[in-house]
Amino acid sequence: GQSLEQPSEVTAVEGAIVQINCTYQTSGFYGLSWYQQHDGGAPTFLSYNGLDGLEETGRFSSFLSRSDSYGYLLLQELQMKDSASYFCAVRADSWGKLQFGAGTQVVVTP
Amino acid sequence: SAVISQKPSRDICQRGTSLTIQCQVDSQVTMMFWYRQQPGQSLTLIATANQGSEATYESGFVIDKFPISRPNLTFSTLTVSNMSPEDSSIYLCSVVWVNTEAFFGQGTRLTVV
Repeated sequence: GQSLEQPSEVTAVEGAIVQINCTYQTSGFYGLSWYQQHDGGAPTFLSYNGLDGLEETGRFSSFLSRSDSYGYLLLQELQMKDSASYFCAVRADSWGKLQFGAGTQVVVTP
Repeated sequence: SAVISQKPSRDICQRGTSLTIQCQVDSQVTMMFWYRQQPGQSLTLIATANQGSEATYESGFVIDKFPISRPNLTFSTLTVSNMSPEDSSIYLCSVVWVNTEAFFGQGTRLTVV
């Protein structure tokens, strides 16, 4: 079957580093994306990996290993505003159809 | 980037009725995507809408329940038909920009009573 696995919740203090892992098993793979969603809001794009390796965007980095069907999102210098749900999503076809993981709730404490 | 205007933002509907959700994009796009997000859950793709052809539905979703229109390259509608309380969800439209980044409308929070 098709699945994306990620932890359900992570708690960390301000200034810390958090890594959210995502393993996937899908029939089509055109890349792995990460989205942030605050309560009541729409998902917003954070990062995309089409090829193996590390992508860095400010405090957020994302990594992909296609041979391991594995990726992660790294959140550095955590801030209170980073408290949100984070979803990994596989781009499942060439048009951009996305298959989402269940989401990881990140709770940042003072 | 792409800006998506989705409406209504929320609605409370009686069971057995239908609701049509509209999405307007500020740029022409080939495909538009409709997702459902049940309370506390992740996003699930309902269908992919291509202008000028019938939408492609994912497993578990059927055209009679979720008819979709795509009259041009900037607009689409999703109708939730013959609603039941199980249809209470957030419905989101989305487009993919530069083949990597997906943009979402603000969502329609639907409550069926």
